[in-house]
Amino acid sequence: GAVVSQHPSRVICKSGTSVKIECRSLDFQATTMFWYRQFPKQSLMLMATSNEGSKATYEQGVEKDKFLINHASLTLSTLTVTSAHPEDSSFYICSARDQDEVWGAGTIYFGEGSWLTVV
Amino acid sequence: GNSVTQMEGPVTLSEEAFLTINCTYTATGYPSLFWYVQYPGEGLQLLLKATKADDKGSNKGFEATYRKETTSFHLEKGSVQVSDSAVYFCALAKTSYDKVIFGPGTSLSVIP
Repeated sequence: GAVVSQHPSRVICKSGTSVKIECRSLDFQATTMFWYRQFPKQSLMLMATSNEGSKATYEQGVEKDKFLINHASLTLSTLTVTSAHPEDSSFYICSARDQDEVWGAGTIYFGEGSWLTVV
Repeated sequence: GNSVTQMEGPVTLSEEAFLTINCTYTATGYPSLFWYVQYPGEGLQLLLKATKADDKGSNKGFEATYRKETTSFHLEKGSVQVSDSAVYFCALAKTSYDKVIFGPGTSLSVIP
């Protein structure tokens, strides 16, 4: 079946540095990917919609200059957390939709998630 | 706007007990409904889905029926196992290219 892979699965970075998380669709093309954030014991909150070849659409309250999203190809979207702070520590997960699947039979595929710890 | 509400957890059950996790939604039109499961330390897995009213999604002994009249999509399993311990998220997506909106999640612990 379709697979979405995230890398790295775990990352620790120092406060003030930037960290990049990759989301790849391994066997399908995705014009649209989504980035979510999950705080401990809470639900997933959509951060932004990543569109291949165009700017991402951010949800209200999400700082676009802090969470840079680039969707340069049909199989890769990246989330860069700039000038990270401890409060950015969270679980980040992406999802992708196979652009060739007919809706109804289609599925939104999620990556394994990436744990970010800012120290 | 669109939203999903789930019963509060955590839920603790003995092995082989019957499970129900309530889920209701608010949305215009006819959204597709999902249940996702998150095992400890892992990402999300799609458990089951239903795309139109009266559809029943099922997988691994879990079932949920899309009830438009009550705007509900309750998750049920007749006999839970310890391995079912996880967090369960009810979710909806309005259109084919829309975002997924998640409920708050319900933590389930199954004890031997």
